[in-house]
Amino acid sequence: DVKVTQSSRYLVKRTGEKVFLECVQDMDHENMFWYRQDPGLGLRLIYFSYDVKMKEKGDIPEGYSVSREKKERFSLILESASTNQTSMYLCASSLVNGNSPLHFGNGTRLTVT
Amino acid sequence: GENVEQHPSTLSVQEGDSAVIKCTYSDSASNYFPWYKQELGKRPQLIIDIRSNVGEKKDQRIAVTLNKTAKHFSLHITETQPEDSAVYFCAASKNTGRRALTFGSGTRLQVQP
Repeated sequence: DVKVTQSSRYLVKRTGEKVFLECVQDMDHENMFWYRQDPGLGLRLIYFSYDVKMKEKGDIPEGYSVSREKKERFSLILESASTNQTSMYLCASSLVNGNSPLHFGNGTRLTVT
Repeated sequence: GENVEQHPSTLSVQEGDSAVIKCTYSDSASNYFPWYKQELGKRPQLIIDIRSNVGEKKDQRIAVTLNKTAKHFSLHITETQPEDSAVYFCAASKNTGRRALTFGSGTRLQVQP
């Protein structure tokens, strides 16, 4: 069974801090994604990656960056955290591309104070 | 880009009744339509998906229908049970250009015992 692991379940950070959210998958999936989940807004795509060192912007990339140095790991970076980035962050992976089932991690609930 | 609208945002049914959730999409090139179920405090999990070469798909009490002409698809749950209570998300994607799922805003289904 695919396992997608997010390093933290809960994080509390201060405004202006640099924040790293880590995600690791163990099924050799090519594709990895970062979504943000907010009530009433569903899941919104921040960034995704089809291959190592490759990244593409999603619908809400502003204030975020990503890193994919190894196939199994996809990191989301908040360069300078702001209160409007308080949210649930979900990492996901898929075997083929976005046109196939996603396997999600458990999520990281980030609070920026 | 793709836009997916989902209705209703909340749905309450009596145990044993049927529930229907509807989604519309904007990009006629979309050809993959999954549905995810997210129980409270848990990750979204795929429950059923359909591709554009099929009009309907069933899996026990769950069915999905797709109308490509009208660009809408629906989730049907029959004989609802309390354990069906969750948030349901529809999504759409294509296998050209940006190959990542765009999600609807979610439907909170409450099954009253």
